[in-house]
Amino acid sequence: KAGVTQTPRYLIKTRGQQVTLSCSPISGHRSVSWYQQTPGQGLQFLFEYFSETQRNKGNFPGRFSGRQFSNSRSEMNVSTLELGDSALYLCASSRTGTGITDTQYFGPGTRLTVL
Amino acid sequence: AQSVTQLGSHVSVSEGALVLLRCNYSSSVPPYLFWYVQYPNQGLQLLLKYTSAATLVKGINGFEAEFKKSETSFHLTKPSAHMSDAAEYFCAVSPSGSARQLTFGSGTQLTVLP
Repeated sequence: KAGVTQTPRYLIKTRGQQVTLSCSPISGHRSVSWYQQTPGQGLQFLFEYFSETQRNKGNFPGRFSGRQFSNSRSEMNVSTLELGDSALYLCASSRTGTGITDTQYFGPGTRLTVL
Repeated sequence: AQSVTQLGSHVSVSEGALVLLRCNYSSSVPPYLFWYVQYPNQGLQLLLKYTSAATLVKGINGFEAEFKKSETSFHLTKPSAHMSDAAEYFCAVSPSGSARQLTFGSGTQLTVLP
């Protein structure tokens, strides 16, 4: 069974640009969560999608957005990039995202560097 | 709000020695707690999770953790460290027990010395 895949694995952008990251969850998983990982702030929850609807959102500015498609694949977009957006962006999927028996599986991440 | 605090950003142990990584939680309701491991250039892998079924939780790769309500702790242990255990370890808490929105600790980098 294939794991969570994220594309691209590495990205270099310049300030002011926008970027789109993609995440394909494990087959059968309908919940997709996104996290940002930086040396200074650690791992922070961005948002979670289930059945094409954003169900939870972390404390990030509106420049960070996402969506989920009918096949559960998800994208996140960051507009007007800032230097501080440089981070490892992790995607995680689970079957439903509810219930204590559900487990979240993480992808390898996309390393975004903003110059 | 729930949170976790990991004591010690770096821990070094000798191969074969006991591994002890500390995590304390803050929660007004019974928490659901997790330990994840991250190897270089990889995502997070679930080691174990506490869901109130048992206070001693056994995970993968020989790791286990004990939930102690009186100490608000959920420390991760392994009796004998292996070189392959070198990685970063994260403790996390879920606000509702669900898997989808985790609050992570700051992480502990484990170094295993030969």
